[in-house]
Amino acid sequence: ETGVTQSPTHLIKTRGQQVTLRCSSQSGHNTVSWYQQALGQGPQFIFQYYREEENGRGNFPPRFSGLQFPNYSSELNVNALELDDSALYLCASSQWDRITGELFFGEGSRLTVL
Amino acid sequence: KNEVEQSPQNLTAQEGEFITINCSYSVGISALHWLQQHPGGGIVSLFMLSSGKKKHGRLIATINIQEKHSSLHITASHPRDSAVYICAARRTPGNQFYFGTGTSLTVIP
Repeated sequence: ETGVTQSPTHLIKTRGQQVTLRCSSQSGHNTVSWYQQALGQGPQFIFQYYREEENGRGNFPPRFSGLQFPNYSSELNVNALELDDSALYLCASSQWDRITGELFFGEGSRLTVL
Repeated sequence: KNEVEQSPQNLTAQEGEFITINCSYSVGISALHWLQQHPGGGIVSLFMLSSGKKKHGRLIATINIQEKHSSLHITASHPRDSAVYICAARRTPGNQFYFGTGTSLTVIP
């Protein structure tokens, strides 16, 4: 067990709605990154937060946004949901240093958009 | 062309065989991660490499920075090694992660 918890584990939304996914990072980790994994595909990097600021972003539109809180937990928000947003959303925490740290993943939140 | 390419895509091996999975990347990186994903989605980090070689039990990971290539080796493979293995490169500058599409490994008893 990694100590990274995500909620909810499963959810169903309809097109146009908004969703918030949550991630609690492993104790002592100050960096959280989010990934989208479609069925049969590798994870795609959405963005990363370090000390409450976004410090890396993949090719995702602005309707994908995030937050990191002082306790290093994080939220992923997706507005105006589209059918293609259906995927497993994974978060990973790490301890940032000048190089990088090992990643610890949560079990994911599976989103279905109808 | 993807920034990270893995091969093979699928691999079936007999128990006990030596397995190699390859990863090539085209961007500058600060580190490369090898991950294991079991059915249901859970991902476990196996290795984080910035140079050289690391070993953990029957798993060995190597990286050649000049050639932009990394390999994951499994010695004496076992059915419980059956999973999807993914390499992920952390780009520098920029901090983005780029993932390979994964190698689905099945080890037959």
